[in-house]
Amino acid sequence: DIQMTQSPSSLSASVGDRVAITCRASQNIATYLNWYQQKPGKAPKLLIYIASSLQRGVPSRFSGSGSGTDFTLTISSLQPEDIATYYCQQSYIIPITFGQGTRLEIK
Amino acid sequence: EAQLVESGGGLVQPGGSLRLSCATAGFTFSSFWMNWVRQIPGKGLEWVANINQDESEKNYVDSVEGRFAISRDNAKNSLYLQMNSLRAEDTAVYYCAGGYSRRSWFEPWGQGTLVTVSS
Repeated sequence: DIQMTQSPSSLSASVGDRVAITCRASQNIATYLNWYQQKPGKAPKLLIYIASSLQRGVPSRFSGSGSGTDFTLTISSLQPEDIATYYCQQSYIIPITFGQGTRLEIK
Repeated sequence: EAQLVESGGGLVQPGGSLRLSCATAGFTFSSFWMNWVRQIPGKGLEWVANINQDESEKNYVDSVEGRFAISRDNAKNSLYLQMNSLRAEDTAVYYCAGGYSRRSWFEPWGQGTLVTVSS
């Protein structure tokens, strides 16, 4: 199975800060990497697919980059509504696997 | 707008069975791969199973292989998960989610249904 490791596990930042969350795959997954945002009591919401494509309706302050084994989700200017847990997911090989999540808080 | 509504969750004893349903509308269900994803309350996401458009391919995470069965009814725009021999560690919120292909991202998602396995 491909292991997905996110860092950090939690992050505290101020409104307006640039925030980066990294995700490392245990083997090459090309660009089959997706990012989700989940707020408490809600289903995950797709933010970024195929590593860097912004899902329709998602604010442009969110961006994704990377290929192979190392990926990054960046929020260019943190907003209060971005408080959530973020997950990366590899869809390259079955079983599909997720990272453990990064909890983002406002400082 | 796509809508997915899971049902069938509840409290079941260890060793028992439960059948989850996911009713969909607002997108071409028969063209999508479909997935089940679960989440232990307060924990991370775990992919459980997926199925292709004509049911010719089904995949499972090892921990449910042989106990769970995924199926679909394209005429009813519905997805199912038959869960047998349930264990305490199967306790979770179960989400259904669509995908464009075997290697696709997951979108759209349902709101989830809680399964609790306890005596």
